[in-house]
Amino acid sequence: SQKIEQNSEALNIQEGKTATLTCNYTNYSPAYLQWYRQDPGRGPVFLLLIRENEKEKRKERLKVTFDTTLKQSLFHITASQPADSATYLCALGAGGKLIFGQGTELSVKP
Amino acid sequence: GAVVSQHPSRVICKSGTSVKIECRSLDFQATTMFWYRQFPKQSLMLMATSNEGSKATYEQGVEKDKFLINHASLTLSTLTVTSAHPEDSSFYICSAQTRRGGNEQFFGPGTRLTVL
Repeated sequence: SQKIEQNSEALNIQEGKTATLTCNYTNYSPAYLQWYRQDPGRGPVFLLLIRENEKEKRKERLKVTFDTTLKQSLFHITASQPADSATYLCALGAGGKLIFGQGTELSVKP
Repeated sequence: GAVVSQHPSRVICKSGTSVKIECRSLDFQATTMFWYRQFPKQSLMLMATSNEGSKATYEQGVEKDKFLINHASLTLSTLTVTSAHPEDSSFYICSAQTRRGGNEQFFGPGTRLTVL
């Protein structure tokens, strides 16, 4: 069956450290993968998109990797700040639609 | 740029009534809009894809007669929950893609529906 799995446990890290979030999938062949941030009671906000032929993408303190052999994407936030605390969602792009993971809650402590 | 609004942000209604939720792209034209629902601590589940001027495409298991979608213009899509029941209580979120294409979706702030 098709699955998208993100770190099920909430991630707690200290300010200034690098947060690494994982997204694994099975039985999909996504053309691209996206990462979104969602705050409580709000809609998701787009962060980064990475295509199947790209290994890595960066934007300011954010970095995404995409390994289609391992069927995994890693999302890194360097020099994390308390304001980065939120739920982060990965979404696979297939057939013009997005299929979302359940999200990982990140908490950055000062 | 690429701002999507939803109205209302919260709605409480009685069981059996219908509720309409509006989704607008404020500063761009959206040929495609998507409707999702999200239960607490769960993933966004796609309900339907809506293209301007044509009928919506519903995902498996979503009742099209219960969740009526209208995409009347390039900036407006509406979702009407008909004969709402308590199990329809959820967070409904729309998103839009720009006309120029690309795979990025811009999300609205969501509508919290509570059916008593």
